[in-house]
Order: sequence, then C-alpha cells, then structure tokens
Amino acid sequence: AQSVAQPEDQVNVAEGNPLTVKCTYSVSGNPYLFWYVQYPNRGLQFLLKYITGDNLVKGSYGFEAEFNKSQTSFHLKKPSALVSDSALYFCAVRAIPDYGNNRLAFGKGNQVVVIP
Amino acid sequence: DTGVSQDPRHKITKRGQNVTFRCDPISEHNRLYWYRQTLGQGPEFLTYFQNEAQLEKSRLLSDRFSAERPKGSFSTLEIQRTEQGDSAMYLCASRVGGEGYNEQFFGPGTRLTVL
Repeated sequence: AQSVAQPEDQVNVAEGNPLTVKCTYSVSGNPYLFWYVQYPNRGLQFLLKYITGDNLVKGSYGFEAEFNKSQTSFHLKKPSALVSDSALYFCAVRAIPDYGNNRLAFGKGNQVVVIP
Repeated sequence: DTGVSQDPRHKITKRGQNVTFRCDPISEHNRLYWYRQTLGQGPEFLTYFQNEAQLEKSRLLSDRFSAERPKGSFSTLEIQRTEQGDSAMYLCASRVGGEGYNEQFFGPGTRLTVL
C-alpha cells in the first residue's frame, strides 16, 4: 500500500520569502508523485508531477519540487511566495507498478499562509 | 468551461434519505474517480471507472454506496439511507487513459451535510 506524510499542519511564510512544503512517501516499488493545491470551496488543482528523470520538477505558478529517492521525499518549493499562494497543498503518490491499483494516496494537506 | 463539473455543489439532507450526485468528466477522459474528503484530511479514494466498467472499489464504499457510469461518460454516486458520518465533500476526477502518470483533473466537489 502507498501512503504520504505531510508532517506540518500549517506553514507560515512572509511574502517574498522562500516557501517549502514537505512531503515524504511510502510505496512498494517506484512512485509517481503529484502536488495539488486547493482553494476554499474549490476542487484540487494540479501543480506538478514527478515521473522519472530529472529530480527537479517545475510546475505551474512558479512552483517546483525535488524528488529525493534516498529520503523518500518530494518537497514543494517556491523561491518567492505571494499572498495569493495562501491555500491548502496536497502531496499524492501512486505506486509503479500498480498491479491494477489505480488510486492516488493523498497526504492530509498543509495549510500555507503567506503573510503580507 | 471544459473542466470536470459536479452537480449539485451543495446538498443538505436528513438522516435516512437517499442522495445522488452527478459528475461530468472532461470529454476525452475515459478514466473517472470518486473521492471523499472530510475536514482536515486529504481526499480518500472511493472508486474508479475505466469507460463504463467499475474496476476498483475502496473498502470505504459500503453497500449503501453505489456508483455508475452507464455510457462511459457522466457518472453518478448514490448514497442510500444517509448517516451523519457521510457528511463530507465528494470529489470527482478524470484523466486520459494510458500511462498512470497522467494527472487527474478534479471537479469542484459536492458538499454533503446530513442532519
């Protein structure tokens, strides 16, 4: 079974400062990894994914994430946070091969608060 | 708007009533997923369709829950004899077929409140 841990409930950062949201995962086999963002009363919006290859993945709205196999981590980063980045962020994993298991396993989410 | 749509956006019902939600996926997406999200938690997988075939169901999907995708397009999720514990956001997602690394696109969700 696959699982994701997002250890921090809330991340506070000043506008203009670097933002990091942590994620570690557990799978049998290799992972596909995803980050999604959720604004209040909205569905999840896809930010970026890691499939294979370069460990640094670039996504939407200036976000990037670094895959670290030895640490089983996939932390989300943004060099300079904006107030509009305040939202709920979810990390998700899917195992490869999946033996017919098509589900994504999500973490509990991190609330990001960017302080003006 | 060509994204995933869900209807209704909000549903308030009394315990014991039946409710049905609808999801319209992105038109070329043959894979469709239902998730449930409670406050302070990430989405939890409920069930998965490839075209009209329901290929996977979570243990969370008790016998009071049923999902269909009759023509491989829209899907419905029905909850019979609702309980207060069913109160949650129900999310639908779809993706293109093929490799599993293709991301899922989510609808806005249906928020269910069971009184």
